[in-house]
Parts: sequence; C-alpha cells; structure tokens
Amino acid sequence: DTGVSQNPRHKITKRGQNVTFRCDPISEHNRLYWYRQTLGQGPEFLTYFQNEAQLEKSRLLSDRFSAERPKGSFSTLEIQRTEQGDSAMYLCASSSPGGIPTKFFGPGTRLTVL
Amino acid sequence: QKEVEQNSGPLSVPEGAIASLNCTYSDRGSQSFFWYRQYSGKSPELIMFIYSNGDKEDGRFTAQLNKASQYVSLLIRDSQPSDSATYLCAVSNTGKLIFGQGTTLQVKP
Repeated sequence: DTGVSQNPRHKITKRGQNVTFRCDPISEHNRLYWYRQTLGQGPEFLTYFQNEAQLEKSRLLSDRFSAERPKGSFSTLEIQRTEQGDSAMYLCASSSPGGIPTKFFGPGTRLTVL
Repeated sequence: QKEVEQNSGPLSVPEGAIASLNCTYSDRGSQSFFWYRQYSGKSPELIMFIYSNGDKEDGRFTAQLNKASQYVSLLIRDSQPSDSATYLCAVSNTGKLIFGQGTTLQVKP
C-alpha cells in the first residue's frame, strides 16, 4: 500500500498559464476527491469521483477548473488561465468502498501563481 | 453562517494536561464526523471518526458528539509537545467532507 500520491509537489507558474495536476489514489479506492487549502483555512471541497463518474462539483469552482478520471484510476485537475487567487495547496484524497467513510489524503501540490 | 465552525486558537496547554477541541456544525443531516491533525506544510492526517450513533475512544483521544447541540469535541489526554498542530474538524453527509478552519494547539513542555 503506497498511499495517495500527487504530482508535481510544487508548481510555480505565471498568471494566465494553464496547469495540470495528477493524483494517483490507493489502488482499491473507488472514490477520489479534490480539495483546495489556503493558509489558515481548512480544506475546501472542489469535486469528487466515484470510479470514472464525476458525482459532484463545488458551486464555488469556476469554469476555469476541470477534473477528469478517465479510467477510474488516476485523476487530473486542470486550471486554465491561472490567477493569483488560485495559489493554494491542492489536495487529493481517496476513499474505499463500503461502510467506512475514511479519507486518505495525498501530500498535496502547492501552486504559486506569480 | 459557516457550515463547520472552529475557534482558530491558539489553544495552549501544558504537557500532560487534557486538551479540549470543539466544533459546531450547521447541517442536522450530517452522519459522520472526523478529526484530522495537520502539521505545518503537511497534508491532513485522520485521527478519528465517529458516526452519529456514539462517542469513540482511541488511546489518548476521545471524540464526542452532541447531536442536539450540533457540537463535536476531541479530547486529548496526557498532551505531548508532539501533539502541537492544527486540528481540523470535518463533517460528512453526502460523501464529501466539509471542514472547519482548524484550531491550532500548542502543548508547552
């Protein structure tokens, strides 16, 4: 069990550029979640998948954000035309099927938009 | 009103004391409740979770739920300096987690 992995761990980009992050969940976990966390705040829900289906997307998420999980395994989160306000830690979490709603977080991708 | 509210602290306790962390939630339909610990620069780490049907004790940690008051607490007995971190409360109803802003705990030797 290698845990949830995320790449890259750090990303620095200029305003207006597109960025893409990847998350690899724990292998038997069918649910995958994306959260965003800014300094001094708790993680904020962005979206989640069950297998390849995107079940929910936060109303706070602008159209510049898109997430995919094409084969129900890894997921990508893309941010188009980045803004300075997008600077945050982007966290991925996965969850096993069945009754235990435990969420295992990956190490996160820290995005800095200059 | 925020969905999950925590006092940001810091809460300072001496080593060996009991630390009491609290949060309130607004959605009466919430079914499960989580406490995470987060060290600076790291991702959240699950400490405990409880369902709406009862409290739970695990080693030095006890999570308690008061459904009538919509209040969740985490007690840490025999606090250690290594417990110094931000503690995040989260609630779940439809699968996703809604987090509070976290309470910073400082355990002084």
